[in-house]
Order: sequence, then C-alpha cells, then structure tokens
Amino acid sequence: DQQVKQNSPSLSVQEGRISILNCDYTNSMFDYFLWYKKYPAEGPTFLISISSIKDKNEDGRFTVFLNKSAKHLSLHIVPSQPGDSAVYFCAASAVEGGGGADGLTFGKGTHLIIQP
Amino acid sequence: AAGVIQSPRHLIKEKRETATLKCYPIPRHDTVYWYQQGPGQDPQFLISFYEKMQSDKGSIPDRFSAQQFSDYHSELNMSSLELGDSALYFCASRYGTSGRYEQYFGPGTRLTVT
Repeated sequence: DQQVKQNSPSLSVQEGRISILNCDYTNSMFDYFLWYKKYPAEGPTFLISISSIKDKNEDGRFTVFLNKSAKHLSLHIVPSQPGDSAVYFCAASAVEGGGGADGLTFGKGTHLIIQP
Repeated sequence: AAGVIQSPRHLIKEKRETATLKCYPIPRHDTVYWYQQGPGQDPQFLISFYEKMQSDKGSIPDRFSAQQFSDYHSELNMSSLELGDSALYFCASRYGTSGRYEQYFGPGTRLTVT
C-alpha cells in the first residue's frame, strides 16, 4: 500500500509560470516531509523540507506547503525554469525528534517538463 | 563540497552470483541508508546504520546483508542474485539520527542481473 502518493506521473508547465506538484500521504505518524529532484543517471538531490509543526517553508523559488489535516503537501516553483525539468519525489519520515535512522518513504515521482 | 560516493557505478552479474556494493558517506556523516529503485518505481528503503550499528530495517531480502565499518563506509552484500534484483541501488548519508537533517544521496549503482 502506497503511503506517499503522487498522483500526477507528469506535469508540463510553460517557462516563467508556476509549477505546482502535489503529494498526499496516509500515515499519520509522518511528521517530516522532503522534496527531492532527480535527473536521469543521478541520485536524488535534496530540494526543500518541512516539519509538521509548520505549514509553509520557503527557499528562493521553491515553497512547500503542508496541510496536515488533509494529509497533503505541495511544492511550488516560481518562476519555472528549463533547468527545473526533472523527476520530483515527495518523501516522508516519522523520525522528527524521535531518534533512530528511519528510512524515507517515497512517492512514485512526478516528471516535470518545463516548456520554453 | 564532497558528496556521497558509490562504487561501482555499474555492475553486471549472473543469476545466483554474489555482488558487493560500496558506499562512502559525506565526511562527518555517521548515518548511512540503502535504497533500491526498480524500473519506474520509487526508491524503497532497505536498511540503515548509525554509528556502525544497524538502526532500521525496511524491505531488505534475507539474501542481502550490510554493515557499516569503522570509517563509516558501508557495504551491501547481495547473494544468490535473482533477475528481480536488477535495479538502481542508492546510498544516502546524514549526520545523526534526529533533528531536521536531510539525507543526501549518492549517484547510485546500477545492478543488472542476467
């Protein structure tokens, strides 16, 4: 059973516009969420994270929003640039403050394509 | 900045053979994770180590074993390889096991079992 769901396998956005990638989760024990970006033949690269005690975290062009009651988070990229074209993975962990090297639970990823 | 190093980058083995994958974490990182990503799949957590001790276990087959050494590098040993073991194997590292410390991934080892 997929505990982290990214229901859009792909998303096409015009350069300069906003890209919104969505992620839903089912496990209420998750309290820390991360977004990773992955290019072909490379490992996932950490992008931005958010703790469950927050509802928004911003880093440059990237903003992550968390709606804990809806078990939903989203990644906003604005403005979108050609170099943003990649697969974006949503990941979750129940490790915040709890100790233990728990592995991350990943979604299946969304392939973002930025069109010129 | 130094990143996670994995070797080899590519490995081809036959069924029933053995494979060893190596991971060198970012300097001062003491926690190592192993993930398996099948074709078109999300990375699946296998096992993790903190300060050379096994910390958490995910969906790792009994045919696989791993350890973390005194220099914090880790090795994933895979025996009796099956066709379904063909996948990308990622290693990730972080400092400590609590707090808001993200995992940093290596480039992966692509294992092909024929």
